[in-house]
Amino acid sequence: GIQVEQSPPDLILQEGANSTLRCNFSDSVNNLQWFHQNPWGQLINLFYIPSGTKQNGRLSATTVATERYSLLYISSSQTTDSGVYFCAVVRDSNYQLIWGAGTKLIIKP
Amino acid sequence: DSGVTQTPKHLITATGQRVTLRCSPRSGDLSVYWYQQSLDQGLQFLIQYYNGEERAKGNILERFSAQQFPDLHSELNLSSLELGDSALYFCASSRQPISTDTQYFGPGTRLTVL
Repeated sequence: GIQVEQSPPDLILQEGANSTLRCNFSDSVNNLQWFHQNPWGQLINLFYIPSGTKQNGRLSATTVATERYSLLYISSSQTTDSGVYFCAVVRDSNYQLIWGAGTKLIIKP
Repeated sequence: DSGVTQTPKHLITATGQRVTLRCSPRSGDLSVYWYQQSLDQGLQFLIQYYNGEERAKGNILERFSAQQFPDLHSELNLSSLELGDSALYFCASSRQPISTDTQYFGPGTRLTVL
């Protein structure tokens, strides 16, 4: 099956810093989503981005499907950005989402 | 707020017991997914329903079962609970039954088995 690797596993930054999170996947995909799980456990959809670039406020994501990776950019980090960021992919509609292990982000005030 | 609701938020029970977790999908969504997230791990897909019918099965134990009712809410039943079943259980919903559609997640039910 598809392997999903996220890096780095942990990231500690000061408030105001920028960060780049990476998701590599081992096969072509039809669906890629980024999620943020806040410290209370809630999962929030950030982007549905099987290819191309999208932006939402301070967050943006780029997926280069031909090279099998996706990047999540967080600019001007705030303490509320802390939590775990997951990338999840699916090869085609007959298969289920495969999740990476996540990147744990801590933003210090 | 994703529009997906889950009850209860927290559940504490003992080994050997049985519990039922409930999920109501977003308005208009026909597909419901159940996931398990053990401590500090990613999500594991358990099972999917679409319009009342089971559509896909993942790593769901035989002690676990689920169903989707005519009003589209879903229940996940966990029986003969073990310590290792302690986890966060998420429900997600989507419009289409295909996993290439965006999934929206509920707040989760945190199950603690003592």
